Amino acid sequence: AQSVTQLDSQVPVFEEAPVELRCNYSSSVSVYLFWYVQYPNQGLQLLLKYLSGSTLVESINGFEAEFNKSQTSFHLRKPSVHISDTAEYFCAVTERSNDYKLSFGAGTTVTVRA
Amino acid sequence: DAGVTQSPTHLIKTRGQQVTLRCSPISGHKSVSWYQQVLGQGPQFIFQYYEKEERGRGNFPDRFSARQFPNYSSELNVNALLLGDSALYLCASSFTSVGTDTQYFGPGTRLTVL
Repeated sequence: AQSVTQLDSQVPVFEEAPVELRCNYSSSVSVYLFWYVQYPNQGLQLLLKYLSGSTLVESINGFEAEFNKSQTSFHLRKPSVHISDTAEYFCAVTERSNDYKLSFGAGTTVTVRA
Repeated sequence: DAGVTQSPTHLIKTRGQQVTLRCSPISGHKSVSWYQQVLGQGPQFIFQYYEKEERGRGNFPDRFSARQFPNYSSELNVNALLLGDSALYLCASSFTSVGTDTQYFGPGTRLTVL
């Protein structure tokens, strides 16, 4: 069965500074990987996903994540954050052979300060 | 287009009671999944339904049941409520049940069991 570990529960960061959110997964089979974001008082939204092909995936708002199969990681990065990036971020995985089930990490709260 | 809608928004029940939560998927989406999010944790998969059939079930007791209707809306039922059932219950819809499809989440139903 798959599982996800998000290594940081809270990440405070100053505006315009870079941020990295770490995600490691455990699975014995091939997986699809996702990052979801939950802004204050809003529902979960897909930020980006890795399905196949290039290991570097990007979102429309400047985030990127890199799939590293040997490290079983899918870390999320942004080179320069804005106040509006304050949110909770969830890493999720689904196994290609049992792809009806998304398994989420516990989440990382990013607080961006001016 | 309307997103995923859930009702009610909030619910307070006492131990031993039964509860029904409702979800309307995005128009055209045939798959509905249910997740439980306990405070401070990531969402945990409960069920997925596709074309009115249960496609997958998470590690939840038989007190939890669900169904999907011909219009693809769904209900989640929880019997014999326990204090530990207090959580945010999320519904997500997707066009198909394939793991590569983006799941769109509703705002959730906050259930408090006293």
